[in-house]
Amino acid sequence: AQSVSQHNHHVILSEAASLELGCNYSYGGTVNLFWYVQYPGQHLQLLLKYFSGDPLVKGIKGFEAEFIKSKFSFNLRKPSVQWSDTAEYFCAVTIMDTGRRALTFGSGTRLQVQP
Amino acid sequence: NAGVTQTPKFQVLKTGQSMTLQCAQDMNHNSMYWYRQDPGMGLRLIYYSASEGTTDKGEVPNGYNVSRLNKREFSLRLESAAPSQTSVYFCASRDSSGSRYEQYFGPGTRLTVT
Repeated sequence: AQSVSQHNHHVILSEAASLELGCNYSYGGTVNLFWYVQYPGQHLQLLLKYFSGDPLVKGIKGFEAEFIKSKFSFNLRKPSVQWSDTAEYFCAVTIMDTGRRALTFGSGTRLQVQP
Repeated sequence: NAGVTQTPKFQVLKTGQSMTLQCAQDMNHNSMYWYRQDPGMGLRLIYYSASEGTTDKGEVPNGYNVSRLNKREFSLRLESAAPSQTSVYFCASRDSSGSRYEQYFGPGTRLTVT
């Protein structure tokens, strides 16, 4: 079965620092890739997605992610974080070779931004 | 347009009690999903429904049943709750008619089983 790994479980940054959260998946076929964010007490919101085409995708709130197929990676980046980015971030994958189209999630990365 | 709604928001059950979590979407989506979220484990798929009248097991279906009542509604039932089912439950929906595969999530139900 496919799996998604997020290697950073808890990240603490100061405001204005740069962010990179790692995400790797284990499936050799066609995938769609997503990053979701969950602010404290709220439900999951889509940050950005990759379906095809340009491997560098831009999302909301200044986030971007790069799909590197050879490394099975889809890392999330932001050049300068803000206190309001404090949240939990989930990488997720949909396998395109089955009809289910369910999301397989990573375990999440808790980001804490200190003012 | 409310998106995906879930009721209740919070629930406390005793071991052995039953309850149904309700989910509805107003986006005319075909596919609906139930996930559970546990600390350090991300979200795991319990059941999904590709269309009205069809359901299928996900990664962690044991102890749960589902009903796709109509296109809008997808309920999750715990027949005999166990402490291991203490979790936050999220419903999601997806438009399967096009090429867009992102899922839209409800606000979640926080369930505690004592």
